[in-house]
Amino acid sequence: EAGVTQSPTHLIKTRGQQATLRCSPISGHTSVYWYQQALGLGLQFLLWYDEGEERNRGNFPPRFSGRQFPNYSSELNVNALELEDSALYLCASSLSGEQYFGPGTRLTVT
Amino acid sequence: QKEVEQNSGPLSVPEGAIASLNCTYSDRGSQSFFWYRQYSGKSPELIMFIYSNGDKEDGRFTAQLNKASQYVSLLIRDSQPSDSATYLCAVKEDFGNEKLTFGTGTRLTIIP
Repeated sequence: EAGVTQSPTHLIKTRGQQATLRCSPISGHTSVYWYQQALGLGLQFLLWYDEGEERNRGNFPPRFSGRQFPNYSSELNVNALELEDSALYLCASSLSGEQYFGPGTRLTVT
Repeated sequence: QKEVEQNSGPLSVPEGAIASLNCTYSDRGSQSFFWYRQYSGKSPELIMFIYSNGDKEDGRFTAQLNKASQYVSLLIRDSQPSDSATYLCAVKEDFGNEKLTFGTGTRLTIIP
């Protein structure tokens, strides 16, 4: 069974630009979660999507947004990038409670 | 602010010994508890989850939960060098809120 996939693996952007990160969940999983893992800060919850709807969001500004498509894949958009947005962005999927992570997208903002 | 606390380590354990990792949480309403292993430069891998008080065993891993003390632990028996990693404790509030709150992790080193 294929796991959670994410693209791209690495992304380098300039401050003020927009970044788009993509995630495909494990087949059959309907929930997708986004987390940010910045150096020294641990894993922070960003967003939860289920059945195409945003169900919960963490303490992040509105320039962090996303969506879930009918095939349950998801996209995370970060607008007006700031230097402190540099982090590993992790997507996880779930069917019945346990969350399984993808390999992550390393975003570097210069 | 709901918190999950872990000793950051590093925790050094001889090969073949038992490694004991601990985690405390602040929210009494927490229902589900997870242990993830994260190798350097990689994403977290789910290794154990526990929902009820008591012990849950899976191979060399045992998760222990004490909701009264708001304490969850992970024991790794017969530690191997490949167990060297950062172990993240994660807590979920209730069955309607799927957000995981993570501790900052304990770095474990198994000494051959």
